[in-house]
Amino acid sequence: NAGVTQTPKFQVLKTGQSMTLQCAQDMNHNSMYWYRQDPGMGLRLIYYSASEGTTDKGEVPNGYNVSRLNKREFSLRLESAAPSQTSVYFCASRIRQGHGYTFGSGTRLTVV
Amino acid sequence: GQQVMQIPQYQHVQEGEDFTTYCNSSTTLSNIQWYKQRPGGHPVFLIQLVKSGEVKKQKRLTFQFGEAKKNSSLHITATQTTDVGTYFCALNGDSNYQLIWGAGTKLIIKP
Repeated sequence: NAGVTQTPKFQVLKTGQSMTLQCAQDMNHNSMYWYRQDPGMGLRLIYYSASEGTTDKGEVPNGYNVSRLNKREFSLRLESAAPSQTSVYFCASRIRQGHGYTFGSGTRLTVV
Repeated sequence: GQQVMQIPQYQHVQEGEDFTTYCNSSTTLSNIQWYKQRPGGHPVFLIQLVKSGEVKKQKRLTFQFGEAKKNSSLHITATQTTDVGTYFCALNGDSNYQLIWGAGTKLIIKP
């Protein structure tokens, strides 16, 4: 049981490049989430998917897009990376409301 | 929107001393969750509190939910080096699919 798997673990991008962060969970969870965490800061929600087929904006969605490919997979795309998007990105999932989140190990992204 | 204040931001303790972090809300909460994040790691779910006045223990960790369900605390007895990290509280936002996160309390063990 792998839990929540994120790829890649590290990435360096040049300003203007695009990339997709992958996330997959094998726990049959309904809801999936993308967060960013900046140094010394808490977690900020970028996008979430309450269930397969739906996505909604979180607190900081600008510059990002998401796809809930199926129940297992939820990807985050940066179309034109900016230095302000340098951060650690966490994917998380939970079975339903009122339950705890399971987080992936994170993607450390640097935009130069 | 709903907000939660978590204090203190940092706490430096000697190994073996106790540690406490507090979360406070201006509104009544349906539940509150607690997470731990080790340095360089990801948040790990510790517990959820639901009932007014609830107290739950996990070994040296004691979690409390206030009688009015507006505040919560996490207390660690006799800290160990394995306790180092940042502890976050989180609560359901206006949309039940989102969590509102506290800013976290960083536990630092003095050398």
